[in-house]
Amino acid sequence: QSALTQPASVSGSPGQSITISCIGTSSDIGSYSLVSWYQQHPGNAPKLIIYEGTKRPSGVSNRFSASKSGNTASLTISGLQAEDEADYYCCSYGTASVFGGGTKLTVL
Amino acid sequence: QVQLVQSGAEGKKPGASVKVSCKASGSTFRRSEISWVRQAPGQGLEWMGWISAYSGHTDYAQKFQGRVTMTTDTSTSTAYMELRSLRSDDTAMYYCARVRVITISGVVTPYYFDYWGQGTLVTVSS
Repeated sequence: QSALTQPASVSGSPGQSITISCIGTSSDIGSYSLVSWYQQHPGNAPKLIIYEGTKRPSGVSNRFSASKSGNTASLTISGLQAEDEADYYCCSYGTASVFGGGTKLTVL
Repeated sequence: QVQLVQSGAEGKKPGASVKVSCKASGSTFRRSEISWVRQAPGQGLEWMGWISAYSGHTDYAQKFQGRVTMTTDTSTSTAYMELRSLRSDDTAMYYCARVRVITISGVVTPYYFDYWGQGTLVTVSS
């Protein structure tokens, strides 16, 4: 069982915005702004898309953004595109050894 | 840019051991920390542990304590993960990743994984 809770699936139409939540505790997400997010397309390795809460690595689209409120971190993808269809995982310091269960994003 | 290239797929019988390699290029390996993450078919990511190429310090997830050994060879910029006493539920894709660590209250902890290998499929079957 993951220490970080994510919805199993979310969906959206091209051009829309979607948000994926990652619920932790006051010991991890609630205490540190050190959440990271990963995108994984089928058959590929995960790819870092957000680190230290809100930072994007070089080359990651600015359509990806992240925030935190209390014990919940959120990943928002704006202007949804077909290529965004993938699995998304969160990870947080404090439970840095544990990933969220993952969220499958379907672009309708 | 960092590249991590892993060894090829392995097929093992229950009870055997497997050793997966991860060769790094494009960065100063000896100052890196490498983590191993596995993913069973259709499942999520599972962190196994990490090793400092500089100090050799290791930290293993409790689930794998006593069954996993992570090592590095700085002369070849290669990290290794050996898993022993394999079971069928160890069948998974195994990834190495460069991990960034942070020290808070004297404890060094991994907090994000910025470069990943392509994965090594380990199949355990009789």
